[in-house]
Amino acid sequence: GAVVSQHPSWVICKSGTSVKIECRSLDFQATTMFWYRQFPKQSLMLMATSNEGSKATYEQGVEKDKFLINHASLTLSTLTVTSAHPEDSSFYICSSKRTSSYEQYFGPGTRLTVT
Amino acid sequence: GQNIDQPTEMTATEGAIVQINCTYQTSGFNGLFWYQQHAGEAPTFLSYNVLDGLEEKGRFSSFLSRSKGYSYLLLKELQMKDSASYLCAVDTNAGKSTFGDGTTLTVKP
Repeated sequence: GAVVSQHPSWVICKSGTSVKIECRSLDFQATTMFWYRQFPKQSLMLMATSNEGSKATYEQGVEKDKFLINHASLTLSTLTVTSAHPEDSSFYICSSKRTSSYEQYFGPGTRLTVT
Repeated sequence: GQNIDQPTEMTATEGAIVQINCTYQTSGFNGLFWYQQHAGEAPTFLSYNVLDGLEEKGRFSSFLSRSKGYSYLLLKELQMKDSASYLCAVDTNAGKSTFGDGTTLTVKP
């Protein structure tokens, strides 16, 4: 099956700093990738849809200036959490999707802890 | 708005059968997913239902009734490794999925 990787798998950063998370679609070219956030014992919440070569589409309530998404190539999307705060601590998961398919392939997730 | 409901927690015994229900009210519907998620890991795909009826895949089966806005995931011959969260998600539009809060299943010996 398709494989999606994320890097780093976990990161600890100080409040006020920025953190970049990479998501790579290893088996196919993904025109669309999704970024989710998951708080403990809660479900996945879609943050934004990342479209290759164009601006990301953010869900309501997600600050686009705080969560910068760049989909520079068909196999790489990045999420940068700017000026991180402790409340940004969460599990961030990306997924990729073939244009012709319903199935999403999830990355292994990145655990972010802001101290 | 989007509303997806599933029980928060369920407990079952090893070897038994358990049914996890999901009801939904969404502004669009293309299909319904079930995912399994172990703690600290990403979700893994279990099933996708588009048409009404039951689809069986090994020990797991998934049922959909579009007219009732209802689905269930049936797990047979439960094993300890089936202890996990099970997420119901509706494929609404533009390829986006809306997830329920998940059902934490605990399998006891």
